[in-house]
Amino acid sequence: GAVVSQHPSWVICKSGTSVKIECRSLDFQATTMFWYRQFPKQSLMLMATSNEGSKATYEQGVEKDKFLINHASLTLSTLTVTSAHPEDSSFYICSAIEGVANEKLFFGSGTQLSVL
Amino acid sequence: SQQGEEDPQALSIQEGENATMNCSYKTSINNLQWYRQNSGRGLVHLILIRSNEREKHSGRLRVTLDTSKKSSSLLITASRAADTASYFCATDRGNQFYFGTGTSLTVIP
Repeated sequence: GAVVSQHPSWVICKSGTSVKIECRSLDFQATTMFWYRQFPKQSLMLMATSNEGSKATYEQGVEKDKFLINHASLTLSTLTVTSAHPEDSSFYICSAIEGVANEKLFFGSGTQLSVL
Repeated sequence: SQQGEEDPQALSIQEGENATMNCSYKTSINNLQWYRQNSGRGLVHLILIRSNEREKHSGRLRVTLDTSKKSSSLLITASRAADTASYFCATDRGNQFYFGTGTSLTVIP
């Protein structure tokens, strides 16, 4: 199956700093990528949908200026958590869909963000 | 809420038994999918059922879909300890995917 690589797996940062998370599709071109946030023992909350070459579509309640998403190529999307605060600590997972007809999501392994 | 509801929230069974988990959703869908997540990891796709299908099988997995009730069920037969994980249903609404609350399954050897 298709492989999605997410990096880093774990990051600890100080409050006020910015953190960038990368999501790469290794063996396919991902026209659409999704970013999710997951709290312990809870479900995935869709944060935003990013399409290559266009602005991301954010879900209601997600701050665009806080969570910057860039999808500059068909194999790379990045999520930058700007001026991180302890409440931003969470598990962030990216996923990608191949082409338009493919209905399966392929997930990265996730990034655990801890803001001190 | 963008989430559907799943029940039970947690399920503990003996190895060899069957596990059934249910998912309800709120809006019309194109398809419904089930995913598995091991602790602290990404999700793995298990099975997809389209809105015009009622039942689908894949190995030890059996999925049903009732669009009139907006519900789906996942049955895992002859469970194994390695099936221990969280299971989520996800609904596809126009190329956006929303996940249910999940069922945490523990299979006791």
